[in-house]
Amino acid sequence: QKEVEQNSGPLSVPEGAIASLNCTYSDRGSQSFFWYRQYSGKSPELIMSIYSNGDKEDGRFTAQLNKASQYVSLLIRDSQPSDSATYLCAVNDGSNYQLIWGAGTKLIIKP
Amino acid sequence: GAGVSQSPRYKVAKRGQDVALRCDPISGHVSLFWYQQALGQGPEFLTYFQNEAQLDKSGLPSDRFFAERPEGSVSTLKIQRTQQEDSAVYLCASSLGGDRAVVAAFFGQGTRLTVV
Repeated sequence: QKEVEQNSGPLSVPEGAIASLNCTYSDRGSQSFFWYRQYSGKSPELIMSIYSNGDKEDGRFTAQLNKASQYVSLLIRDSQPSDSATYLCAVNDGSNYQLIWGAGTKLIIKP
Repeated sequence: GAGVSQSPRYKVAKRGQDVALRCDPISGHVSLFWYQQALGQGPEFLTYFQNEAQLDKSGLPSDRFFAERPEGSVSTLKIQRTQQEDSAVYLCASSLGGDRAVVAAFFGQGTRLTVV
């Protein structure tokens, strides 16, 4: 069974620091990787996608992919209290339309 | 509308009752997904439409679950003879593209179903 694993947290980070969120996946054939942010009681919001090894930067967010290690991470620079949310990692193997999701990591940014 | 709209926002059903959940995607979006999210878990895929065609329904948990998108826009997820284990938030998402690397880009606010 294809799995996506995330540390449930909570991960507590001081305001202004770098938050590092990690995700591992079991299917070596996975091709597309996504990070979503979900505020409590709200729906997921797509924040980053990454398809090839290396880093992809978008504003304060950087996604990192290492297919050999089956590992994808999200870095949030200059963390703000508004970044406090649950961050969900999702993976697609390219053979169908399904995303396999992790259970999410709860991030708390302390002012 | 500006975003994906789902209705109702909340639904309480008695066990055994049939329910219908509606999703109105962003206008022009080809792809439409239904997901089920239990408390404290990530979403789980239910089904995928590309326009009016249901290309993947492998995530539907039983034959009590049925989804349709007859005109390629609004979609309805129907659950017959609801059971307590059906209690969850049902999320609809849409995306502009229809290619294989499609991603659930825009989510609606969800319908919270509680079966009592």
